[in-house]
Amino acid sequence: DAGVIQSPRHEVTEMGQEVTLRCKPISGHDYLFWYRQTMMRGLELLIYFNNNVPIDDSGMPEDRFSAKMPNASFSTLKIQPSEPRDSAVYFCASSLRQVHLGGTEAFFGQGTRLTVV
Amino acid sequence: AQSVAQPEDQVNVAEGNPLTVKCTYSVSGNPYLFWYVQYPNRGLQFLLKYITGDNLVKGSYGFEAEFNKSQTSFHLKKPSALVSDSALYFCAVSMDSSYKLIFGSGTRLLVRP
Repeated sequence: DAGVIQSPRHEVTEMGQEVTLRCKPISGHDYLFWYRQTMMRGLELLIYFNNNVPIDDSGMPEDRFSAKMPNASFSTLKIQPSEPRDSAVYFCASSLRQVHLGGTEAFFGQGTRLTVV
Repeated sequence: AQSVAQPEDQVNVAEGNPLTVKCTYSVSGNPYLFWYVQYPNRGLQFLLKYITGDNLVKGSYGFEAEFNKSQTSFHLKKPSALVSDSALYFCAVSMDSSYKLIFGSGTRLLVRP
């Protein structure tokens, strides 16, 4: 498997524009997570899905942020309108529930570095 | 609320010496504990995890971690550091029925030749 695939790797956009980040999880994984990494706040969980259903979006900073998972192999994180303070590295991760082992490790994509100018 | 603390922003060690990166956690219930490593411009890579059982967990690249319930700690260790171990290390916790990871602030490990 190629691992978790995120696109684009880098995105530079102007304030006010819409930004869409994309993620393809590892095939067969039933959990998908979106994280944001900044120097100031570290790694923050934004939202996660189980079997394509959003479970916890309490980390989504504002209504400007939205995430969807239309099917098991694709998810998007959208920011509309974007602001300079949204500049960060956004990571997608996926994992597989292991019923008999409890928690399982998450596999991370290489991230999308977003710069809003 | 669950939380993870990594008290050291940076750890410096000479190549060949043992290293320790500290992590303490605060949860209600049984924690699942993880260590991840991040190299520059890369995503996080899984190193090891504690779910249950033996308190000493062995992971990738010669790393190990010891779960100490009384001290609520999960320190990462390696007997002999390599320059290539220099990276950013994250401790994380998740709860029994939740699969979301809460990360610590990260510790930068610098191994000098």
